[in-house]
Amino acid sequence: GEDVEQSLFLSVREGDSSVINCTYTDSSSTYLYWYKQEPGAGLQLLTYIFSNMDMKQDQRLTVLLNKKDKHLSLRIADTQTGDSAIYFCAETWAGSARQLTFGSGTQLTVLP
Amino acid sequence: EAGVAQSPRYKIIEKRQSVAFWCNPISGHATLYWYQQILGQGPKLLIQFQNNGVVDDSQLPKDRFSAERLKGVDSTLKIQPAKLEDSAVYLCASSSTSGGAQETQYFGPGTRLLVL
Repeated sequence: GEDVEQSLFLSVREGDSSVINCTYTDSSSTYLYWYKQEPGAGLQLLTYIFSNMDMKQDQRLTVLLNKKDKHLSLRIADTQTGDSAIYFCAETWAGSARQLTFGSGTQLTVLP
Repeated sequence: EAGVAQSPRYKIIEKRQSVAFWCNPISGHATLYWYQQILGQGPKLLIQFQNNGVVDDSQLPKDRFSAERLKGVDSTLKIQPAKLEDSAVYLCASSSTSGGAQETQYFGPGTRLLVL
């Protein structure tokens, strides 16, 4: 089976970097994703990484993948108040018909 | 390009009543998903369609939940009769079937259901 775990809460000061962590259990994961959910809204795809990559950078976002430890992280540089939201990591795995398994989400609060 | 549309946005019903949610995916997207998101949890897949066929409904509580996508475009999810534990946000997502290894799922805004 597959399981994705995240810490529940993270608070940072505006302008600092945020690092949101995620662990997964399925070694056959193919793609790993980060989604953002603002209050009352659906999920917005932020970025994704293929499982044979170690790092992906997209503007203020940096994704790091440690396959050995099954650990995924999302770093947000220069965090702004508009980044306050719930962040979900998710995975698909071989044979899943591209279905997503989500973690429980990390509530990021950006303090002024 | 219009996004995934869902209606209604909010619904309050009493237990044992029935309710239906509607989803219109992004034009041309062959795959459609329904997720249930309970407060404080990540979304969990209920059912996946490809065109008008069911790919996976193993997590759908079939004694009370049903879903259809008769013409392979929009879809309806129904709960009958509703229980208190069905209170959640019901998210619809769609993706294209381009044959690529990675197919992004695009999510609608969700329907927030409260069962009293």
